[in-house]
Amino acid sequence: EVQLVESGGGLVQPGRSLKLSCAASGFTFSNYYMAWVRQAPTKGLEWVAYISTGGGSTYYRDSVKGRFTISRDNAKSTLYLQMDSLRSEDTATYYCTTGGRNYGYTYDFDYWGQGVMVTVSS
Amino acid sequence: DIQMTQSPSSMSVSLGDTVTITCRASQDVGIYVNWFQQKPGKSPRRMIYRATNLADGVPSRFSGSRSGSDYSLTISSLESEDVADYHCLQYDEYPNTFGAGTKLELK
Repeated sequence: EVQLVESGGGLVQPGRSLKLSCAASGFTFSNYYMAWVRQAPTKGLEWVAYISTGGGSTYYRDSVKGRFTISRDNAKSTLYLQMDSLRSEDTATYYCTTGGRNYGYTYDFDYWGQGVMVTVSS
Repeated sequence: DIQMTQSPSSMSVSLGDTVTITCRASQDVGIYVNWFQQKPGKSPRRMIYRATNLADGVPSRFSGSRSGSDYSLTISSLESEDVADYHCLQYDEYPNTFGAGTKLELK
């Protein structure tokens, strides 16, 4: 059974950092492009970042560029999102998912984690 | 960035209705549009991928279509379990972008 399990969320003050993890199982993690998607309370879904299978290619939405870093450890089947200089507008549930297009390959956002809540507030 | 203009934002529906939700892409995104269903407190569930393909385990009353830059999700003969939020996503270009969502509510 495919599982994506996020962790690392919580309450953090503006300007501080937080690192999310997403532990994958039930599929060959190293073969999949991965992404983070977030959803602010009562709002729609918002794509955040993408990483290629080897980690050498990444993309970010403009509002998190320079503050967030997506990475992965294929040996541990784990995806990460390092979030620095957090702002109140980063408050959301963060989902990891298998998705993205690059180098002629496409992964179609088939698997999703249960989500982890991040609250940025003083 | 590519804008996905989703309509309607909400819809009041009855069981047995045929429901159509549409996303219009501001640029060509080819076939790379997905539709997701999301229920309160739950993760998104992929319903349609690459515009027209039914995801595994999704009932056949769901279908996806494309006409130019307009992408549609149709639910035939709506059942109570289909009452949820629906989101479109384009993943042809980065940043990938979602529509604003459609909330289905029972009359």
